[in-house]
Amino acid sequence: EVHLVESGGGLVQPGRSLRLSCAASGFTFDDYAMHWVRLAPGKGLEWVSGITWNSGTTGYADSVKGRFTITRDNAKNSLYLQMNSLRVEDMALYYCAKAAHTGSSYFDSWGQGTLVTVSS
Amino acid sequence: QSALTQPRSVSGSPGQSVTISCTGTSSDVGGFDYVSWYQQHPGKAPKLIIYDVDKRPSGVPNRFSGSKSGNTASLTFSGLQAEDEADYYCFSYAGDYSWVSGTGTKVTVL
Repeated sequence: EVHLVESGGGLVQPGRSLRLSCAASGFTFDDYAMHWVRLAPGKGLEWVSGITWNSGTTGYADSVKGRFTITRDNAKNSLYLQMNSLRVEDMALYYCAKAAHTGSSYFDSWGQGTLVTVSS
Repeated sequence: QSALTQPRSVSGSPGQSVTISCTGTSSDVGGFDYVSWYQQHPGKAPKLIIYDVDKRPSGVPNRFSGSKSGNTASLTFSGLQAEDEADYYCFSYAGDYSWVSGTGTKVTVL
């Protein structure tokens, strides 16, 4: 069974940094692209970033481009999101999501999320 | 990367058919057959219910169906049930390894 567990969220001041992690198990991690999706209070889901199985390609939403960096460590079955220059509008529940298969455009498994609060 | 437009809310009685629209542009919904839909109950993780416009993962009831015409995708409930009360989001691939999501629709079962 696929299991995705996010961690690293917390309270951070605007302008500071935070690194999220996602520990994966129950599948061959390095066979799949992975993504981060967030749910802000009172708002809808927003795709944040994605990375292919071999880190060869990454993508970012315009709202985070230049501030966030997605990486993965296939040896550790882990996905990361380095968030710099955090803004109040980045406050959200951040989900780690697994792509369904190589080349797929959809996400078939999700974690429970880690909460990021940005406030002074 | 503008969010796809969904109605804020829709409602229906049990057994009724209800459709949610998801309107984008030729750069996302209209440009690719890569629209997916997710159901999210309060406090729960999203769940995939439709992928590649009209395909249903195993285990998802066949009362859920998807379609697309031009820049608008749709999710239809054929026979609304109480457990369908949740938030629903569309996602579309938008090229250059990027995705865009919908504004979300709250479905209420009367």
